[in-house]
Formats: sequence, C-alpha cells, structure tokens
Amino acid sequence: DAGVTQSPTHLIKTRGQQVTLRCSPKSGHDTVSWYQQALGQGPQFIFQYYEEEERQRGNFPDRFSGHQFPNYSSELNVNALLLGDSALYLCASSSVGGTYEQYFGPGTRLTVT
Amino acid sequence: KNEVEQSPQNLTAQEGEFITINCSYSVGISALHWLQQHPGGGIVSLFMLSSGKKKHGRLIATINIQEKHSSLHITASHPRDSAVYICAVSPYTNTDKLIFGTGTRLQVFP
Repeated sequence: DAGVTQSPTHLIKTRGQQVTLRCSPKSGHDTVSWYQQALGQGPQFIFQYYEEEERQRGNFPDRFSGHQFPNYSSELNVNALLLGDSALYLCASSSVGGTYEQYFGPGTRLTVT
Repeated sequence: KNEVEQSPQNLTAQEGEFITINCSYSVGISALHWLQQHPGGGIVSLFMLSSGKKKHGRLIATINIQEKHSSLHITASHPRDSAVYICAVSPYTNTDKLIFGTGTRLQVFP
C-alpha cells in the first residue's frame, strides 16, 4: 500500500517563474492538504481539497492555487515566485469521516533564486 | 503568541537518557498530534490523542485537556531518535487543518 507520494523531490526556480507541485494521497484517502514549511519553522496550512474543490484556505495570497483530480491526486501551483516562497512543501492526506489523522508525504523542497 | 508552543526548542542528550518534550496550546482541540521529522523533510505521525496517555515502544505521549498541555517522553534514548519532534493540534472549531508548533530539535549522542 503506497503512502503519500510527492513530486518532484527538489526544485530550483527563478523569481517571477511559476511552479507546479504534485501529490498522490494514500490509498483510500479522499482529502489532500498542503502545508508550507520555512526553514526552522513549523508547517503552515495553505489549503485543503476535497471533492475537487478547495474546502479550506490558510493565510496565503492568491498566487497559491491548487487543484484536485477525480482520482484524488492534487497539484499546488505558485505563480510569480518570490524568494520568500523558498520552503519545503508538504502534502498530507486524510479521509473525510475518518479520524483526524493526516498522513504526510516526503515533501518537495523549492528553492527560489 | 503562537497557538501551539513547544519547549525546549533544542535538546541534546546522551544515549540512554530519559527525554521530555512539552507542548502547550491555547485553542480548544479535537485531537493533538506528535510528529517526527528527520533531516530531508518527511514527517511521520507518532501519536494522535485526545485524552490520557498512549505508549508505543519507548515513546509515551500524555495529554491534560484541562491544562491544555501535552508531553512526549522518550525512554532509553538512542542516537536514531535524533530528529525534530513537532506538536500539532486539530482545532475543535476547524478539524480540517492542523496548527503546528515550531518543533523541538533533539540530538542524542552515543
């Protein structure tokens, strides 16, 4: 049973560019949450997707957008990259109606130069 | 003030020592999570608890809902326990997201 997978593992982009990160949830999970973790900080909630719609959103600008596909996988898109967007981006999956437990992927480390 | 506070921020120990990491939170919660993050980033869930105490191997987690406080204990610590330990809560008013502490960096030396 595959856990949560994310791609790519590492990514280097230039300021102003756009980036797409991908996440596949754990088998049987239907909800995907995205978190940003800056160096030395705890993760911060970006948004959550369920039934292909954004269900909750944290305090992040509209440059951060996402999508969920019918197979429950998800993408995180960031436009007009800033240096401050450099971080580890974590995806977590869970199941609506299940426990509050979230299963995390290995993360994508984004560096913006 | 952060809604989830952890202490200490950094912790060093000799192999075999008993370790305690503390977490205090200021919101009503449905559950509290203890997570482990190794260098490289991946996060592993250690415990999820809403009351009492849980034990898994050398790890013990306790929570006091009235005092809004939880502790993670590691008995007979080992160098492989070296990692960042993160406390996170599922707020009662919004169980869809987790609020994280900043983590405790633990280094256990042989």
